[in-house]
Amino acid sequence: NAGVMQNPRHLVRRRGQEARLRCSPMKGHSHVYWYRQLPEEGLKFMVYLQKENIIDESGMPKERFSAEFPKEGPSILRIQQVVRGDSAAYFCASSPWASGTNNEQFFGPGTRLTVL
Amino acid sequence: AQTVTQSQPEMSVQEAETVTLSCTYDTSESDYYLFWYKQPPSRQMILVIRQEAYKQQNATENRFSVNFQKAAKSFSLKISDSQLGDAAMYFCAYRGDNYGGSQGNLIFGKGTKLSVKP
Repeated sequence: NAGVMQNPRHLVRRRGQEARLRCSPMKGHSHVYWYRQLPEEGLKFMVYLQKENIIDESGMPKERFSAEFPKEGPSILRIQQVVRGDSAAYFCASSPWASGTNNEQFFGPGTRLTVL
Repeated sequence: AQTVTQSQPEMSVQEAETVTLSCTYDTSESDYYLFWYKQPPSRQMILVIRQEAYKQQNATENRFSVNFQKAAKSFSLKISDSQLGDAAMYFCAYRGDNYGGSQGNLIFGKGTKLSVKP
C-alpha cells in the first residue's frame, strides 16, 4: 500500500506565477489535510477536504489560495500570483477517518516551494 | 482556540543517554489526542507516539514514552538509550475529537531540535 504521494517535491516559481501542488492520499483514505511549514516553524493547518467537499478552510489565506479534492484524481492546492512569502514546505496528510481512534494522519513527503 | 507550546527550541543528548522534551497545550475540550512527530532532515513527518486523552496510562513505543499530565495539560516525550538516528526536529501536536466539534486538524508546536552527540 503506497503512502501519501506529493508532487512535485520541489517547485520553483517566479513572482506572479501560479503554483499547483498535488497530493494523492493513501488508498482508502477520503480525508485530506494541507499544512504549510515556514522556515524554522511548525506546521500550520490550511484546509481540510473530503471528496468533492471543502470541510474547513479556516487556515487558508483569504486571497490567491484555493484547494480541491475531486471525485477522481489527486487533491490540488493552488496558489495564484505567488509572492516570496509563499516560499515554504507544503505538506499533505490523509486519514481514513476524521474522528475516533483510527484517525491517524499519514503525511506525504511535502512540496518545497521556492518563489524567486 | 487550542494552542501547543514547546519551550525548548534546542536540546542535546549524549548517545545512549535519556532526554525529555517538553510540551504544554491549552484546550477547553475534554476529548482529544496528542502526538509527537519526528522530522529528520529529509522533512518527512514521522509519527513517534500518540496518546488518547481519555487514557490514564502513558503511551510507550519501544524507547519512546510520554508523561501525560491531563490536569496540568502537559505532554512530555522521553527518549531512552538515545541513538544517532534520533537526531531531528520533534513536534508536539494536538488534535480534537470530531465528536466534540473539532474538524480534526492537527495543531503543532514550534518544535524542538534534538542533537545527539556520539
